[in-house]
Amino acid sequence: NAGVTQTPKFQVLKTGQSMTLQCAQDMNHEYMSWYRQDPGMGLRLIHYSVGAGITDQGEVPNGYNVSRSTTEDFPLRLLSAAPSQTSVYFCASSPTSGSHNEQFFGPGTRLTVL
Amino acid sequence: GENVEQHPSTLSVQEGDSAVIKCTYSDSASNYFPWYKQELGKGPQLIIDIRSNVGEKKDQRIAVTLNKTAKHFSLHITETQPEDSAVYFCAACKVNKFYFGSGTKLNVKP
Repeated sequence: NAGVTQTPKFQVLKTGQSMTLQCAQDMNHEYMSWYRQDPGMGLRLIHYSVGAGITDQGEVPNGYNVSRSTTEDFPLRLLSAAPSQTSVYFCASSPTSGSHNEQFFGPGTRLTVL
Repeated sequence: GENVEQHPSTLSVQEGDSAVIKCTYSDSASNYFPWYKQELGKGPQLIIDIRSNVGEKKDQRIAVTLNKTAKHFSLHITETQPEDSAVYFCAACKVNKFYFGSGTKLNVKP
């Protein structure tokens, strides 16, 4: 298994541009999530999904959209990038929804918005 | 929501010593408390977790304790080794949402 994969590894955008961060897992996990990691602030939950067709907001959802059309993929969309969205983004998955499940994290995407 | 506070932000110990990292949480509905280790340039990796119906859990050199009444939980690493050097995060989970502490950078000096 490849586990959780994320593309791209690095990205530079100009303010106002849009882009999609890709996340895929090959473990047939129900639960998938997106986090952003900023210096000194730990990881903050952006959006999550408990299964195909079901998504919900996390702690910091503004400026981001998600969809979950398949079990494997959970893309994160930035419709109009802002400098405040400069961060490292991590995707994670776990076997089922609910608590008590280990989350497996991808390697991250480092995004810079100029 | 939930507020998770983690201390200290940095911790330096001598190889072989013990290290303790402490976290507090605010919402009594949180019922799962994982700890993650993050090495430079990588995603976090689960090292140990504890559920709200358990007070202590141990896995070799790593242990976690939970005090539900006081709403705090701690990570204990014994016999530290240089490869334990990393950033450690605590988290609290309720109803599919994970809330992370701000991280502790652990430096184990040989």
